[in-house]
Amino acid sequence: QLQLQESGPGLVKPSETLSLTCTVSGGSISSSSYYWGWIRQPPGKGLEWIATTHYTGSTRYNPSLQSRVTISVDTSQNHFSLRLSSVTAADTAVYFCARHPAATGSGFYGMDVWGQGTTVTVSS
Amino acid sequence: QAVLTQPSSLSASLGASASLTCTLRSGINVGIYWIYWYQQKPGSPPQYLLRYKSDSDKQQGSGVPSRFSGSKDTSANAGILLISGLQSEDEADYYCLIWHINTWVFGGGTKLTVL
Repeated sequence: QLQLQESGPGLVKPSETLSLTCTVSGGSISSSSYYWGWIRQPPGKGLEWIATTHYTGSTRYNPSLQSRVTISVDTSQNHFSLRLSSVTAADTAVYFCARHPAATGSGFYGMDVWGQGTTVTVSS
Repeated sequence: QAVLTQPSSLSASLGASASLTCTLRSGINVGIYWIYWYQQKPGSPPQYLLRYKSDSDKQQGSGVPSRFSGSKDTSANAGILLISGLQSEDEADYYCLIWHINTWVFGGGTKLTVL
Protein backbone atom coordinates (compact mmCIF):
# COMPACT_ATOMS: atom_id res chain seq x y z
CA GLN A 1 0.00 0.00 0.00
CA LEU A 2 1.35 3.38 -1.01
CA GLN A 3 2.48 5.61 1.82
CA LEU A 4 3.81 9.15 1.78
CA GLN A 5 5.88 10.59 4.62
CA GLU A 6 6.90 14.23 4.94
CA SER A 7 10.10 15.21 6.71
CA GLY A 8 12.03 18.37 7.41
CA PRO A 9 12.70 21.05 9.99
CA GLY A 10 9.77 22.05 12.15
CA LEU A 11 11.11 25.54 12.70
CA VAL A 12 12.42 27.94 10.09
CA LYS A 13 13.60 31.51 10.62
CA PRO A 14 12.01 34.39 8.71
CA SER A 15 13.69 35.15 5.37
CA GLU A 16 15.25 31.68 5.22
CA THR A 17 14.36 28.77 2.97
CA LEU A 18 11.97 26.01 3.99
CA SER A 19 12.99 22.57 2.71
CA LEU A 20 10.81 19.49 2.95
CA THR A 21 11.03 15.96 1.57
CA CYS A 22 8.27 13.46 0.87
CA THR A 23 9.40 9.84 0.86
CA VAL A 24 7.27 7.45 -1.15
CA SER A 25 7.01 3.85 0.02
CA GLY A 26 5.00 0.96 -1.37
CA GLY A 27 5.34 2.30 -4.90
CA SER A 28 7.72 3.90 -7.36
CA ILE A 29 7.92 7.64 -7.82
CA SER A 30 9.05 6.89 -11.38
CA SER A 31 5.67 5.53 -12.38
CA SER A 32 4.23 7.32 -15.39
CA SER A 33 0.81 6.85 -13.83
CA TYR A 34 1.28 9.42 -11.10
CA TYR A 35 2.26 12.98 -10.35
CA TRP A 36 3.36 14.21 -6.93
CA GLY A 37 2.37 17.38 -5.14
CA TRP A 38 2.54 19.61 -2.09
CA ILE A 39 -0.36 21.27 -0.30
CA ARG A 40 -0.37 23.32 2.88
CA GLN A 41 -2.85 24.30 5.57
CA PRO A 42 -2.25 27.24 7.91
CA PRO A 43 -3.45 26.73 11.49
CA GLY A 44 -7.24 26.74 11.62
CA LYS A 45 -7.56 27.53 7.94
CA GLY A 46 -8.22 25.84 4.62
CA LEU A 47 -6.07 24.02 2.09
CA GLU A 48 -3.77 25.66 -0.45
CA TRP A 49 -2.11 23.83 -3.34
CA ILE A 50 1.57 24.69 -3.73
CA ALA A 51 3.06 22.66 -6.58
CA THR A 52 2.97 19.36 -8.49
CA THR A 53 5.63 17.46 -10.36
CA HIS A 54 6.22 14.33 -12.44
CA TYR A 55 9.34 12.17 -12.43
CA THR A 56 10.02 13.35 -15.99
CA GLY A 57 10.56 16.85 -14.59
CA SER A 58 7.24 18.36 -15.61
CA THR A 59 6.14 20.84 -12.96
CA ARG A 60 3.17 23.07 -12.17
CA TYR A 61 3.18 25.83 -9.57
CA ASN A 62 0.57 27.90 -7.81
CA PRO A 63 1.03 31.34 -9.41
CA SER A 64 0.71 33.00 -6.01
CA LEU A 65 3.80 31.16 -4.76
CA GLN A 66 5.68 30.43 -7.97
CA SER A 67 8.39 33.03 -7.47
CA ARG A 68 9.47 31.39 -4.20
CA VAL A 69 8.84 27.68 -4.80
CA THR A 70 10.83 24.84 -6.30
CA ILE A 71 9.60 21.25 -6.48
CA SER A 72 11.91 18.44 -7.54
CA VAL A 73 12.08 14.66 -7.76
CA ASP A 74 14.92 12.31 -6.79
CA THR A 75 14.14 8.97 -8.37
CA SER A 76 17.20 7.31 -6.81
CA GLN A 77 15.83 8.07 -3.35
CA ASN A 78 12.17 7.60 -4.33
CA HIS A 79 11.31 10.97 -2.89
CA PHE A 80 10.36 14.45 -3.96
CA SER A 81 11.10 17.76 -2.35
CA LEU A 82 9.82 21.27 -1.78
CA ARG A 83 11.82 24.42 -1.31
CA LEU A 84 10.11 27.68 -0.33
CA SER A 85 12.34 30.70 -0.08
CA SER A 86 12.08 33.97 1.82
CA VAL A 87 9.59 32.60 4.31
CA THR A 88 7.48 34.73 6.62
CA ALA A 89 5.07 33.96 9.43
CA ALA A 90 2.36 33.59 6.77
CA ASP A 91 4.11 30.41 5.62
CA THR A 92 3.49 28.73 8.97
CA ALA A 93 1.35 25.72 8.17
CA VAL A 94 0.98 21.98 8.06
CA TYR A 95 2.57 20.84 4.82
CA PHE A 96 1.16 17.76 3.11
CA CYS A 97 2.53 15.77 0.22
CA ALA A 98 0.14 13.89 -2.01
CA ARG A 99 -0.22 11.76 -5.13
CA HIS A 100 -2.12 12.74 -8.26
CA PRO A 101 -3.21 10.06 -10.71
CA ALA A 102 -2.20 10.85 -14.27
CA ALA A 103 -5.03 11.56 -16.69
CA THR A 104 -5.37 9.84 -20.04
CA GLY A 105 -3.51 11.81 -22.65
CA SER A 106 -2.04 14.59 -20.58
CA GLY A 107 -2.51 16.26 -17.26
CA PHE A 108 -3.44 14.78 -13.94
CA TYR A 109 -6.34 14.38 -11.57
CA GLY A 110 -6.71 15.72 -8.06
CA MET A 111 -4.89 14.27 -5.06
CA ASP A 112 -5.97 10.80 -4.06
CA VAL A 113 -3.40 9.74 -1.46
CA TRP A 114 -2.00 12.09 1.18
CA GLY A 115 0.81 12.00 3.69
CA GLN A 116 0.15 12.69 7.36
CA GLY A 117 1.57 16.19 7.12
CA THR A 118 4.37 18.00 8.89
CA THR A 119 4.06 21.22 10.85
CA VAL A 120 6.39 24.04 9.91
CA THR A 121 6.57 27.16 12.05
CA VAL A 122 8.29 30.30 10.82
CA SER A 123 9.66 32.19 13.76
CA SER A 124 12.88 33.76 14.96
CA GLN B 1 -15.17 36.81 -5.20
CA ALA B 2 -13.60 33.43 -4.49
CA VAL B 3 -13.44 30.82 -7.26
CA LEU B 4 -15.15 28.25 -5.01
CA THR B 5 -17.55 29.07 -2.18
CA GLN B 6 -18.65 26.59 0.46
CA PRO B 7 -20.92 27.29 3.45
CA SER B 8 -18.75 27.51 6.53
CA SER B 9 -20.95 25.16 8.50
CA LEU B 10 -23.83 22.74 8.15
CA SER B 11 -25.73 20.68 10.69
CA ALA B 12 -27.75 17.56 10.03
CA SER B 13 -29.29 14.80 12.11
CA LEU B 14 -27.97 11.31 12.64
CA GLY B 15 -29.40 9.01 9.98
CA ALA B 16 -30.53 11.88 7.77
CA SER B 17 -28.93 13.15 4.55
CA ALA B 18 -26.66 16.14 4.16
CA SER B 19 -26.10 18.07 0.96
CA LEU B 20 -22.86 20.04 0.88
CA THR B 21 -22.53 22.63 -1.85
CA CYS B 22 -19.53 24.06 -3.67
CA THR B 23 -20.55 27.06 -5.72
CA LEU B 24 -18.40 28.19 -8.62
CA ARG B 25 -17.85 31.88 -9.24
CA SER B 26 -20.09 33.47 -11.81
CA GLY B 27 -18.61 32.99 -15.26
CA ILE B 28 -17.04 29.63 -14.41
CA ASN B 29 -19.32 26.91 -15.76
CA VAL B 30 -19.63 23.97 -13.37
CA GLY B 31 -20.60 21.71 -16.24
CA ILE B 32 -17.09 21.41 -17.63
CA TYR B 33 -15.24 20.75 -14.39
CA TRP B 34 -14.32 17.72 -12.40
CA ILE B 35 -15.38 18.47 -8.81
CA TYR B 36 -13.33 16.69 -6.15
CA TRP B 37 -14.41 16.17 -2.56
CA TYR B 38 -12.30 15.56 0.54
CA GLN B 39 -13.08 14.82 4.17
CA GLN B 40 -10.76 16.03 6.91
CA LYS B 41 -11.00 15.18 10.58
CA PRO B 42 -9.06 17.09 13.25
CA GLY B 43 -5.38 16.26 13.30
CA SER B 44 -5.60 14.12 10.17
CA PRO B 45 -4.84 14.70 6.51
CA PRO B 46 -7.65 15.12 4.00
CA GLN B 47 -9.11 11.88 2.71
CA TYR B 48 -10.17 11.66 -0.92
CA LEU B 49 -13.87 10.85 -1.24
CA LEU B 50 -14.74 11.11 -4.91
CA ARG B 51 -14.60 13.09 -8.10
CA TYR B 52 -17.62 13.96 -10.21
CA LYS B 53 -18.07 15.46 -13.65
CA SER B 54 -21.31 13.84 -14.79
CA ASP B 55 -23.35 10.75 -14.02
CA SER B 56 -21.32 8.91 -16.65
CA ASP B 57 -17.99 10.38 -15.58
CA LYS B 58 -17.30 9.94 -11.92
CA GLN B 59 -15.04 8.02 -9.59
CA GLN B 60 -15.49 6.88 -6.01
CA GLY B 61 -12.39 6.89 -3.84
CA SER B 62 -11.01 3.55 -2.79
CA GLY B 63 -12.98 2.19 0.16
CA VAL B 64 -15.35 5.16 0.26
CA PRO B 65 -18.91 4.06 1.09
CA SER B 66 -21.58 4.50 -1.57
CA ARG B 67 -23.55 6.73 0.77
CA PHE B 68 -21.12 9.46 -0.31
CA SER B 69 -22.08 10.61 -3.79
CA GLY B 70 -21.50 13.54 -6.07
CA SER B 71 -23.72 15.56 -8.35
CA LYS B 72 -24.12 19.01 -9.85
CA ASP B 73 -26.79 21.67 -9.73
CA THR B 74 -26.25 23.50 -12.98
CA SER B 75 -28.92 26.07 -12.18
CA ALA B 76 -26.96 27.04 -9.07
CA ASN B 77 -23.58 26.52 -10.77
CA ALA B 78 -22.58 24.24 -7.94
CA GLY B 79 -21.09 20.88 -7.20
CA ILE B 80 -22.81 18.83 -4.52
CA LEU B 81 -21.62 16.18 -2.11
CA LEU B 82 -24.53 14.15 -0.79
CA ILE B 83 -24.02 12.10 2.33
CA SER B 84 -26.89 9.77 3.09
CA GLY B 85 -27.53 7.87 6.30
CA LEU B 86 -25.39 10.25 8.34
CA GLN B 87 -23.21 8.65 10.97
CA SER B 88 -21.43 10.27 13.88
CA GLU B 89 -18.07 9.62 12.22
CA ASP B 90 -19.12 11.79 9.26
CA GLU B 91 -18.63 14.86 11.45
CA ALA B 92 -15.68 16.55 9.78
CA ASP B 93 -14.57 19.34 7.49
CA TYR B 94 -15.31 18.85 3.81
CA TYR B 95 -13.43 20.54 0.99
CA CYS B 96 -14.11 20.75 -2.72
CA LEU B 97 -11.42 21.16 -5.36
CA ILE B 98 -11.22 22.03 -9.05
CA TRP B 99 -8.48 22.54 -11.62
CA HIS B 100 -8.97 26.08 -12.89
CA ILE B 101 -6.65 27.99 -15.20
CA ASN B 102 -3.70 25.68 -14.50
CA THR B 103 -4.18 25.93 -10.74
CA TRP B 104 -5.69 23.58 -8.17
CA VAL B 105 -8.23 25.62 -6.22
CA PHE B 106 -9.81 24.48 -2.95
CA GLY B 107 -13.04 25.74 -1.51
CA GLY B 108 -12.91 27.21 1.97
CA GLY B 109 -14.42 24.10 3.52
CA THR B 110 -17.65 23.22 5.30
CA LYS B 111 -17.72 22.01 8.88
CA LEU B 112 -20.38 19.32 9.10
CA THR B 113 -21.92 18.70 12.51
CA VAL B 114 -23.97 15.56 13.03
CA LEU B 115 -26.66 16.16 15.65
